[in-house]
Amino acid sequence: GAVVSQHPSRVICKSGTSVKIECRSLDFQATTMFWYRQFPKQSLMLMATSNEGSKATYEQGVEKDKFLINHASLTLSTLTVTSAHPEDSSFYICSARDRMGGYTFGSGTRLTVV
Amino acid sequence: QKEVEQNSGPLSVPEGAIASLNCTYSDRGSQSFFWYRQYSGKSPELIMFIYSNGDKEDGRFTAQLNKASQYVSLLIRDSQPSDSATYLCAVKDTGRRALTFGSGTRLQVQP
Repeated sequence: GAVVSQHPSRVICKSGTSVKIECRSLDFQATTMFWYRQFPKQSLMLMATSNEGSKATYEQGVEKDKFLINHASLTLSTLTVTSAHPEDSSFYICSARDRMGGYTFGSGTRLTVV
Repeated sequence: QKEVEQNSGPLSVPEGAIASLNCTYSDRGSQSFFWYRQYSGKSPELIMFIYSNGDKEDGRFTAQLNKASQYVSLLIRDSQPSDSATYLCAVKDTGRRALTFGSGTRLQVQP
Protein backbone atom coordinates (compact mmCIF):
# COMPACT_ATOMS: atom_id res chain seq x y z
CA GLY A 1 0.00 0.00 0.00
CA ALA A 2 0.90 3.64 -0.27
CA VAL A 3 3.33 4.90 2.34
CA VAL A 4 3.95 8.45 3.49
CA SER A 5 7.04 8.92 5.63
CA GLN A 6 7.16 11.87 8.02
CA HIS A 7 10.15 13.07 10.05
CA PRO A 8 10.89 13.84 12.77
CA SER A 9 8.31 12.04 14.86
CA ARG A 10 8.98 14.21 17.86
CA VAL A 11 10.83 17.48 18.33
CA ILE A 12 11.36 19.86 21.22
CA CYS A 13 12.60 23.32 20.41
CA LYS A 14 13.16 26.59 22.16
CA SER A 15 10.80 29.49 21.68
CA GLY A 16 11.90 31.67 18.77
CA THR A 17 13.63 28.96 16.79
CA SER A 18 12.48 27.28 13.58
CA VAL A 19 11.61 23.65 12.98
CA LYS A 20 11.39 21.80 9.67
CA ILE A 21 9.14 18.79 9.18
CA GLU A 22 9.56 16.54 6.14
CA CYS A 23 6.94 14.45 4.42
CA ARG A 24 7.83 11.95 1.69
CA SER A 25 5.66 9.72 -0.46
CA LEU A 26 7.73 6.53 -0.72
CA ASP A 27 6.12 4.53 -3.48
CA PHE A 28 4.03 6.99 -5.41
CA GLN A 29 4.21 10.51 -6.72
CA ALA A 30 2.17 13.11 -4.88
CA THR A 31 1.59 16.34 -6.77
CA THR A 32 -0.46 17.51 -3.83
CA MET A 33 0.11 17.05 -0.13
CA PHE A 34 -1.89 18.32 2.78
CA TRP A 35 -0.71 19.60 6.13
CA TYR A 36 -2.94 19.24 9.18
CA ARG A 37 -2.59 20.26 12.80
CA GLN A 38 -4.25 18.51 15.70
CA PHE A 39 -4.50 19.88 19.22
CA PRO A 40 -5.21 17.51 22.14
CA LYS A 41 -8.67 15.96 22.06
CA GLN A 42 -9.52 17.87 18.89
CA SER A 43 -9.88 16.84 15.29
CA LEU A 44 -7.52 17.43 12.40
CA MET A 45 -7.61 20.95 11.05
CA LEU A 46 -6.29 21.58 7.57
CA MET A 47 -3.54 24.18 7.54
CA ALA A 48 -2.52 24.24 3.91
CA THR A 49 -2.40 22.38 0.64
CA SER A 50 1.06 21.90 -0.78
CA ASN A 51 1.39 21.90 -4.58
CA GLU A 52 4.43 20.56 -6.38
CA GLY A 53 6.23 23.35 -8.19
CA SER A 54 3.92 26.13 -7.07
CA LYS A 55 2.87 28.06 -4.01
CA ALA A 56 0.96 26.43 -1.23
CA THR A 57 -2.66 27.27 -0.57
CA TYR A 58 -3.27 28.25 3.04
CA GLU A 59 -6.50 27.97 4.99
CA GLN A 60 -8.06 31.04 6.46
CA GLY A 61 -6.35 32.08 9.67
CA VAL A 62 -3.09 30.24 8.98
CA GLU A 63 -0.11 32.58 8.67
CA LYS A 64 1.80 31.72 5.53
CA ASP A 65 4.90 33.59 6.70
CA LYS A 66 4.99 31.56 9.88
CA PHE A 67 4.26 28.16 8.38
CA LEU A 68 6.47 27.89 5.31
CA ILE A 69 5.67 25.10 2.90
CA ASN A 70 7.93 23.88 0.13
CA HIS A 71 6.99 21.15 -2.32
CA ALA A 72 10.07 20.96 -4.49
CA SER A 73 9.59 17.48 -5.91
CA LEU A 74 6.85 14.96 -6.57
CA THR A 75 7.75 13.02 -3.44
CA LEU A 76 8.75 15.63 -0.86
CA SER A 77 6.93 18.41 0.95
CA THR A 78 8.31 20.30 3.92
CA LEU A 79 6.67 22.43 6.58
CA THR A 80 8.83 24.90 8.47
CA VAL A 81 7.45 26.45 11.62
CA THR A 82 9.32 29.73 11.94
CA SER A 83 9.87 31.61 15.19
CA ALA A 84 7.99 28.94 17.07
CA HIS A 85 6.09 29.80 20.23
CA PRO A 86 4.55 27.57 22.90
CA GLU A 87 1.11 27.98 21.32
CA ASP A 88 2.48 26.30 18.18
CA SER A 89 2.97 23.10 20.18
CA SER A 90 0.77 20.54 18.47
CA PHE A 91 0.65 17.34 16.45
CA TYR A 92 1.41 18.08 12.79
CA ILE A 93 0.38 15.51 10.21
CA CYS A 94 0.89 15.40 6.46
CA SER A 95 -1.27 13.54 3.98
CA ALA A 96 -1.21 12.65 0.31
CA ARG A 97 -3.75 11.15 -2.03
CA ASP A 98 -2.59 7.79 -3.32
CA ARG A 99 -3.26 5.93 -6.57
CA MET A 100 -6.26 4.07 -5.11
CA GLY A 101 -8.06 7.28 -4.22
CA GLY A 102 -7.48 7.09 -0.50
CA TYR A 103 -5.71 9.68 1.58
CA THR A 104 -2.61 8.29 3.27
CA PHE A 105 -1.23 10.00 6.34
CA GLY A 106 2.29 10.35 7.62
CA SER A 107 3.04 9.20 11.14
CA GLY A 108 2.86 12.73 12.49
CA THR A 109 5.26 15.06 14.28
CA ARG A 110 4.76 16.00 17.91
CA LEU A 111 6.13 19.53 18.29
CA THR A 112 6.77 20.94 21.74
CA VAL A 113 7.99 24.51 22.02
CA VAL A 114 9.52 25.40 25.37
CA GLN B 1 -18.71 26.63 6.53
CA LYS B 2 -19.04 23.02 5.49
CA GLU B 3 -19.25 20.74 8.50
CA VAL B 4 -18.85 17.13 9.46
CA GLU B 5 -20.56 16.16 12.71
CA GLN B 6 -19.88 13.21 14.97
CA ASN B 7 -20.93 12.35 18.50
CA SER B 8 -17.78 12.61 20.60
CA GLY B 9 -18.76 9.67 22.82
CA PRO B 10 -17.37 7.72 24.45
CA LEU B 11 -19.34 4.88 22.93
CA SER B 12 -18.93 1.83 25.10
CA VAL B 13 -19.73 -1.66 23.82
CA PRO B 14 -18.95 -5.12 25.17
CA GLU B 15 -16.46 -7.34 23.42
CA GLY B 16 -18.08 -9.23 20.56
CA ALA B 17 -20.88 -6.70 20.06
CA ILE B 18 -21.56 -4.50 17.07
CA ALA B 19 -20.36 -0.91 17.37
CA SER B 20 -22.25 1.66 15.32
CA LEU B 21 -20.60 4.99 14.60
CA ASN B 22 -22.46 7.80 12.89
CA CYS B 23 -21.58 10.92 10.94
CA THR B 24 -23.55 13.66 9.22
CA TYR B 25 -22.25 16.21 6.74
CA SER B 26 -23.50 19.52 5.46
CA ASP B 27 -22.27 19.65 1.85
CA ARG B 28 -24.93 17.92 -0.21
CA GLY B 29 -22.54 17.73 -3.16
CA SER B 30 -19.91 15.70 -1.29
CA GLN B 31 -18.94 12.57 -3.13
CA SER B 32 -16.27 10.76 -1.12
CA PHE B 33 -16.50 9.61 2.46
CA PHE B 34 -13.78 8.12 4.60
CA TRP B 35 -13.47 6.44 7.96
CA TYR B 36 -10.19 6.59 9.86
CA ARG B 37 -9.13 5.07 13.15
CA GLN B 38 -6.77 7.00 15.37
CA TYR B 39 -5.07 5.63 18.45
CA SER B 40 -3.93 8.10 21.08
CA GLY B 41 -0.77 9.90 20.00
CA LYS B 42 -0.77 8.27 16.58
CA SER B 43 -1.67 9.30 13.07
CA PRO B 44 -5.02 8.31 11.51
CA GLU B 45 -5.23 4.96 9.73
CA LEU B 46 -7.64 4.50 6.84
CA ILE B 47 -10.32 1.90 7.50
CA MET B 48 -12.30 2.32 4.31
CA PHE B 49 -13.89 4.79 1.97
CA ILE B 50 -17.23 4.81 0.19
CA TYR B 51 -18.57 6.71 -2.78
CA SER B 52 -21.93 5.17 -3.59
CA ASN B 53 -25.18 4.96 -1.68
CA GLY B 54 -25.62 1.71 0.19
CA ASP B 55 -23.29 -0.58 2.07
CA LYS B 56 -19.66 -1.45 1.56
CA GLU B 57 -18.14 -4.28 3.55
CA ASP B 58 -14.51 -5.00 4.35
CA GLY B 59 -13.93 -7.75 6.87
CA ARG B 60 -15.52 -6.79 10.18
CA PHE B 61 -16.23 -3.27 8.95
CA THR B 62 -19.24 -2.03 7.00
CA ALA B 63 -19.66 1.53 5.81
CA GLN B 64 -23.15 2.75 5.02
CA LEU B 65 -23.89 5.85 2.97
CA ASN B 66 -27.18 7.66 2.53
CA LYS B 67 -26.66 10.77 0.44
CA ALA B 68 -30.30 11.84 0.63
CA SER B 69 -30.03 12.04 4.40
CA GLN B 70 -26.39 13.23 4.28
CA TYR B 71 -25.46 10.46 6.63
CA VAL B 72 -22.63 7.96 6.71
CA SER B 73 -22.04 5.28 9.31
CA LEU B 74 -19.50 2.64 10.22
CA LEU B 75 -20.42 -0.69 11.75
CA ILE B 76 -17.80 -2.79 13.49
CA ARG B 77 -18.85 -6.41 14.00
CA ASP B 78 -17.38 -8.63 16.69
CA SER B 79 -15.79 -5.64 18.41
CA GLN B 80 -12.45 -6.31 20.06
CA PRO B 81 -10.66 -4.39 22.83
CA SER B 82 -8.03 -3.51 20.21
CA ASP B 83 -10.74 -1.58 18.34
CA SER B 84 -10.80 0.92 21.19
CA ALA B 85 -9.74 4.17 19.54
CA THR B 86 -11.12 7.40 18.14
CA TYR B 87 -12.92 7.00 14.83
CA LEU B 88 -12.79 9.94 12.47
CA CYS B 89 -15.26 10.56 9.71
CA ALA B 90 -13.90 12.59 6.80
CA VAL B 91 -15.58 14.03 3.75
CA LYS B 92 -14.23 15.34 0.49
CA ASP B 93 -16.33 18.41 -0.19
CA THR B 94 -17.06 19.71 -3.65
CA GLY B 95 -14.45 22.07 -4.99
CA ARG B 96 -11.94 21.09 -2.36
CA ARG B 97 -9.07 18.63 -2.65
CA ALA B 98 -8.45 18.06 1.04
CA LEU B 99 -10.62 16.15 3.47
CA THR B 100 -12.77 17.79 6.12
CA PHE B 101 -12.76 15.85 9.35
CA GLY B 102 -15.34 15.40 12.05
CA SER B 103 -14.29 15.72 15.66
CA GLY B 104 -14.22 11.95 16.09
CA THR B 105 -16.06 9.40 18.23
CA ARG B 106 -14.16 7.64 20.98
CA LEU B 107 -14.99 3.93 21.08
CA GLN B 108 -14.36 1.78 24.13
CA VAL B 109 -14.70 -1.97 23.80
CA GLN B 110 -15.04 -3.58 27.20
CA PRO B 111 -13.43 -7.02 27.64
